[in-house]
Amino acid sequence: DAKTTQPTSMDCAEGRAANLPCNHSTISGNEYVYWYRQIHSQGPQYIIHGLKNNETNEMASLIITEDRKSSTLILPHATLRDTAVYYCIVRSHGMDSSYKLIFGSGTRLLVRP
Amino acid sequence: DTEVTQTPKHLVMGMTNKKSLKCEQHMGHRAMYWYKQKAKKPPELMFVYSYEKLSINESVPSRFSPECPNSSLLNLHLHALQPEDSALYLCASSQAGSGTGGRGGYGYTFGSGTRLTVV
Repeated sequence: DAKTTQPTSMDCAEGRAANLPCNHSTISGNEYVYWYRQIHSQGPQYIIHGLKNNETNEMASLIITEDRKSSTLILPHATLRDTAVYYCIVRSHGMDSSYKLIFGSGTRLLVRP
Repeated sequence: DTEVTQTPKHLVMGMTNKKSLKCEQHMGHRAMYWYKQKAKKPPELMFVYSYEKLSINESVPSRFSPECPNSSLLNLHLHALQPEDSALYLCASSQAGSGTGGRGGYGYTFGSGTRLTVV
């Protein structure tokens, strides 16, 4: 399974863009990059995923470098409710048509008023 | 219905007790998962069920016993736990798939968890 490296913590001001980096230099060609976040005492929440093209949805944008060795999650206008731990995960494939989602340490994002 | 429901939300049990955690989803997902999360740590995968069959056991001690009675339900039976087993237990579900080809957009939906305290 490809491993990911993320900064331990980051902060940004409310209303500004939050850019969360992730390194996944050992990613293989058919592995996707997923982002989840976990707000305190809740279950993780799916944000976005991508293979090689940049992706955007109502929550965030995902920028994947051309060599796929790193990516950036962008929250365009961070709010206080975006304070959470953000996990960058490379999806691995399991047996029997199931697959494992393995969490790394994540980035603790603090959005300041 | 786009939720995973876990019950109970909180559970305190003694080391000699037997208890069960329950997880339910009605999204038609055929893969279901149990994760364990200690304070300030990431979730750790415990078990994976695919089409109601146990497909992955991440070397979990036998005092944790999973069960998938049907495609909507997932249980975790607990017996003779230790205080170090105190944690947040998370259930998740997803579409099952080969994982190769397609968009691979099989995101997981997580429940809010059961906070277990073993005394």
